[in-house]
Amino acid sequence: KAGVTQTPRYLIKTRGQQVTLSCSPISGHRSVSWYQQTPGQGLQFLFEYFSETQRNKGNFPGRFSGRQFSNSRSEMNVSTLELGDSALYLCASSLDGKSSYNEQFFGPGTRLTVL
Amino acid sequence: GENVEQHPSTLSVQEGDSAVIKCTYSDSASNYFPWYKQELGKRPQLIIDIRSNVGEKKDQRIAVTLNKTAKHFSLHITETQPEDSAVYFCAATTNYGGSQGNLIFGKGTKLSVKP
Repeated sequence: KAGVTQTPRYLIKTRGQQVTLSCSPISGHRSVSWYQQTPGQGLQFLFEYFSETQRNKGNFPGRFSGRQFSNSRSEMNVSTLELGDSALYLCASSLDGKSSYNEQFFGPGTRLTVL
Repeated sequence: GENVEQHPSTLSVQEGDSAVIKCTYSDSASNYFPWYKQELGKRPQLIIDIRSNVGEKKDQRIAVTLNKTAKHFSLHITETQPEDSAVYFCAATTNYGGSQGNLIFGKGTKLSVKP
């Protein structure tokens, strides 16, 4: 089975721009979660999607948004980019995210640099 | 919301020694506690997890203990090897709304195993 994939792997943007990141979960997985990883703050939960609905949300401003499609693929969007948004954005998928037996599998991440 | 504290932030041991990483959590409703290992430039990978109805779990050289009363859990690695060198993250989550896709992570422990 193919693992979680993310595109693009690297992005360079300037302040004020917006960006869209994509995540394809493992086949059959319906839950997709997004995390922001920075050296100072570690891994921080952004949001989780299941069956095209946002099921959980972390403490990030409204500039961060996401969606999930009927095939479980997910996108996240960051508008009005700030320097502090530079980070590795990781997505993780699990079967349904409802049971504690559902391990989350991480993708390789998208490295976003904001200049 | 949930808050997870992780100590120490860095840990250096000699090959063959044991390593212990400790985490505390704030939300008594948390019921799932995974540990992830992240090697340099790679994605986080689950190494062991424990549920709130279990006090201890072991998998070869790795063990995790959970004290629900004190709200802390620990990772124990015995007979450390150079390939154990990585950043280790603890996490906690609660099954709100039937979801466990919102992992709250500690800030990580960089483990260095010296040959």
